[in-house]
Parts: sequence; structure tokens; C-alpha cells
Amino acid sequence: QVQLQESGPGLVKPSETLSLTCTVSGGSISSYYWNWIRQPPGKGLEWIGCMFDRGITYYNPSLQSRVTISGDTSKNQFSLKLSSVTAADTAVYYCARGQSITAFDYWGQGTLVTVSS
Amino acid sequence: DIQMTQSPSTLSASVGDRVTITCRASQSISSWLAWYQQKPGKAPKLLIYKASSLESGVPSRFSGSGSGTEFTLTISSLQPDDFATYYCQQYNNYPWTFGRGTTVEIK
Repeated sequence: QVQLQESGPGLVKPSETLSLTCTVSGGSISSYYWNWIRQPPGKGLEWIGCMFDRGITYYNPSLQSRVTISGDTSKNQFSLKLSSVTAADTAVYYCARGQSITAFDYWGQGTLVTVSS
Repeated sequence: DIQMTQSPSTLSASVGDRVTITCRASQSISSWLAWYQQKPGKAPKLLIYKASSLESGVPSRFSGSGSGTEFTLTISSLQPDDFATYYCQQYNNYPWTFGRGTTVEIK
């Protein structure tokens, strides 16, 4: 059974960098593609970006200048960095596995990140 | 970006009702559409992929149809566990995009 777990600080100051890690168990990140998705409180879902094996990445153009997604196959983890955060980046951040046919089939439980001084 | 428009935004229904949610894409996405169910405080759960394929373990009262730009999610007989918010999502073109959601409430 594939499981994903997000980890990282729950509070980030404005203008700083948000850093989150997703640990995957029950499957290798060397297969499929791995995503970050966020949901501001009370709002809908926004896809942030994804990482394929061999480090190929795609980002949402709305965030592209501030986002980096990378993976560590030795730890079976992938990470999100979002720079120059503002209050508008306050959201629950989810990691999710993607497949070309089935879209996002496994999700982490989500972690709330609040941007505030 | 491809815009996904869901309707209605809120739906009031009773247990046993047949419920239909519509999702329209701003351009053709073939059949690359997924439906998710989300309950408060929980991650979304995949229900339907490739417009009409039922994810393993999802009850057969859920079904999806459509192609191109018009899609529907149908719940044939609404159950108490089905009161939730439903999102459509296209995965034909980057960036992947979601609809704004349809909340199914108890009537």
C-alpha cells in the first residue's frame, strides 16, 4: 500500500522560503510522477508542479518563478521549495502520486502552512 | 491554462436521490478528466479517471461520462457517506487544473 507523508514547518515568515518534504512508502519515486498541490483555507485545489524520474519537472506558470521540486531517491522523498512567500501562500499543501492514466491516485494527508510574521 | 467550470457550486439532495454534477473544459481535453471526493479536513480521494473509469474500491453508484469539453459525475443513489465536495481535474495539458468544486449538502 502506497503511503505519502508531508513534513515541514507549519509557520513561515513573509519573504522567506517554504520548504516541505514528502516521504513515500510502499513504492519507489523512481516510477510514476510526484506532485505538490495546495488548497488555501476554504478554497479549491491548485496544482503547483510535478517531478518525473530523472529529475524532469513541470511547474504551474503562476508559481514557476518561485518553485523548485526535487527528489532524493536514496530516501524515497521529494521536496517542495517556494520562495518569497506571502500571506497568499497560506494553504494546506498536499503531495500526491500521479500516473499518466489515472491522474492523482494516492495523496498525503496534507500539512497546513501559515505565512505570518 | 484550461479552465474547468463545475456546476452547480452547491447541491442539496436527500439520501437515495440521483445526483449529477457537470464539468466543462474551456478546450478539448479528450477523456483526460478525473473526479475527486473531498471531506472536511481530509485529502481528496480519486473516484473516476479517464472520464469514465471507476477507481478500484469506489462504489459502483459513482459513474462518469463525457469527452471533449463536457463531462458529468453521477451518483445513482446518494448515501450518507457521499455528502462531500467533488472536484473535476483535467490532465490533458499543463498546468493540470481543477474545477472550483461542487458541495453536496443534505436537503
